[in-house]
This record gives sequence, C-alpha cells and structure tokens, in this order.
Amino acid sequence: AQSVTQLGSHVSVSEGALVLLRCNYSSSVPPYLFWYVQYPNQGLQLLLKYTSAATLVKGINGFEAEFKKSETSFHLTKPSAHMSDAAEYFCAVSDPGGVQGGSEKLVFGKGTKLTVNP
Amino acid sequence: DAGVIQSPRHEVTEMGQEVTLRCKPISGHDYLFWYRQTMMRGLELLIYFNNNVPIDDSGMPEDRFSAKMPNASFSTLKIQPSEPRDSAVYFCASSLVPRLAGDDGELFFGEGSRLTVL
Repeated sequence: AQSVTQLGSHVSVSEGALVLLRCNYSSSVPPYLFWYVQYPNQGLQLLLKYTSAATLVKGINGFEAEFKKSETSFHLTKPSAHMSDAAEYFCAVSDPGGVQGGSEKLVFGKGTKLTVNP
Repeated sequence: DAGVIQSPRHEVTEMGQEVTLRCKPISGHDYLFWYRQTMMRGLELLIYFNNNVPIDDSGMPEDRFSAKMPNASFSTLKIQPSEPRDSAVYFCASSLVPRLAGDDGELFFGEGSRLTVL
C-alpha cells in the first residue's frame, strides 16, 4: 500500500530563512506525489504535484519540490519564508488501488505545521 | 465561482444524537469525496462518489456512518448515533476528473465541518 511519512510534525523558521519540509514515500509503483497547504480554519489547497514529467516541480507561492527516486523523497522547499507561509503542509501520494486506475484516491501524511517567526 | 460549500461549519452535539453534515460540490465536478481529519489519524478518506454513485466506502468506520448523494449538487454524511470518538473535522472535496495526477486533476476542498460530540 502507498504511504507517506512527514518527518517533523512542527517546523519553526525565521522570516527570510529557508523552508524545508520533509516527505518520504512508500509505493509499489511509480508514484504521483502532491503537496497541499491548509491555512487555519480552511480546507486544503494544492501547492504542487509530481506526475513524472519533471523531477523538480514548481508550485504556487514560491514553493518547489524535488522528486528523488533513490531517496524515495519529495521534500518541499522555499528559499525565503514569509509570515504568510505559516500553515500546515500535507504530503500525499496517489493510491493506484482506485477503481478507475487509482489516482483519484489520495493518501495523506500526518502533516507538518510551519511557524514563521518575525 | 463558488467553491465547495459545507454546512454546518461547527456542530456540537451530545452522544447518541444524529448528526448530518452537508456538502455542495463545485458545479460540474463529477467526483465527490468525504475526508475526516483528527490529530491522531490525520486525514482519512471515508467515501467517494462518481456521478452520484458511491465508488469506494472502505474508509467508512462503521455502520453508524452513512453517506448519500441524491443529486449532482448535494451530498450528506450522517452519523447515527454519534459518539465522542467521532469528534473531528469533516471535509468534503470535489474534482473534475478522476485522474488527480493529470493536468486537470485537482481536489478542491471545502472549509470543513468541525464536529464535537460530548
């Protein structure tokens, strides 16, 4: 079964510092990987996704993630944190066990809460 | 363009009472998903529909939970009787296409219904 592990339930950075949120996946087939962001009291919003077209994926708000098969990782980065980046971030993998070829189901990690200090 | 609309946003009820959560997906989206978010288990997929038909309900915890989609613009998640361990945030999400890894693939989430069962 597909799964993702997010290392660190809480990450704290200073404004302007590098953001690095870690995600490792387990998949029996080539995975499709996603990062979602959840701002307080809101639903989840797609940041970016990896679909095998390119290993470095750029998303919204200056975030990017790199797929590394050898490390089974899909870490999320942003060069310079902004106060508005404070949120919870979820890594997800598509589960190929779905009825229609699989990628309609997502398996989410437990999330990493990002705090940005002034 | 309106997003996924959920109601109520907050519900406090007593153990044993029936709870009904409602969702209106984005117009034209053929796929509707119900997720549950708790601190302990993170985000779990409960059930999803395609064209109003339940496709996979393997995530529904037990018989106390039921979900329906009587038409393309409305779905309900019902818990009867409710228990304190059902306390969570319940998210509804919809998508246009089944393949979330495709170019058009994206899950759009509502803002969630926070349920507290006393």
